[in-house]
Amino acid sequence: GAVVSQHPSWVICKSGTSVKIECRSLDFQATTMFWYRQFPKQSLMLMATSNEGSKATYEQGVEKDKFLINHASLTLSTLTVTSAHPEDSSFYICSATGESRHEQFFGPGTRLTVL
Amino acid sequence: TQLLEQSPQFLSIQEGENLTVYCNSSSVFSSLQWYRQEPGEGPVLLVTVVTGGEVKKLKRLTFQFGDARKDSSLHITAAQPGDTGLYLCAGRHYNTDKLIFGTGTRLQVFP
Repeated sequence: GAVVSQHPSWVICKSGTSVKIECRSLDFQATTMFWYRQFPKQSLMLMATSNEGSKATYEQGVEKDKFLINHASLTLSTLTVTSAHPEDSSFYICSATGESRHEQFFGPGTRLTVL
Repeated sequence: TQLLEQSPQFLSIQEGENLTVYCNSSSVFSSLQWYRQEPGEGPVLLVTVVTGGEVKKLKRLTFQFGDARKDSSLHITAAQPGDTGLYLCAGRHYNTDKLIFGTGTRLQVFP
């Protein structure tokens, strides 16, 4: 299957700081990238969908000014958690689809801990 | 709103037993995927089913997509400790094209 990478794999930051997470499709061009959030013992919840060169579409209840998404190229999307607070601590996972819209591949996730 | 309900939520069985995980929804999906997730890692795609009634086999795993494309099942034959993990179904919504995840089934297989 296609490979999606994320960086960093984990990050610890102080409350009030901003954190940027990168998501890359390594061996295919990702027409669409998705960002999910997963709390412990729970399933994945879609936060936003982004297409290269256009603004991201956020799910209901997700603050677009807090979770900034930039899909700069067909292989790179970034999620910036601005002014992070302890309640933003979670496992953030990006995903991408290529030519086949039915198959969606996931990155390894980024564990964010806000102190 | 969780559109996909999985059952059971938790399953602990002995090695060699068979099991079935169900994924149900009132919505119709254009396709459905099954993933397995290990702790601290992203989900890994196991299979994609597209056609209503479709059955796919992956070694000891058998996946079925319901005729109406609203539900799916995963059957594991002769489970092994290596099958332990979180199993997630995910349906692609017809109208929005978004992939929505099920509630998850945590499987533990004891040797």
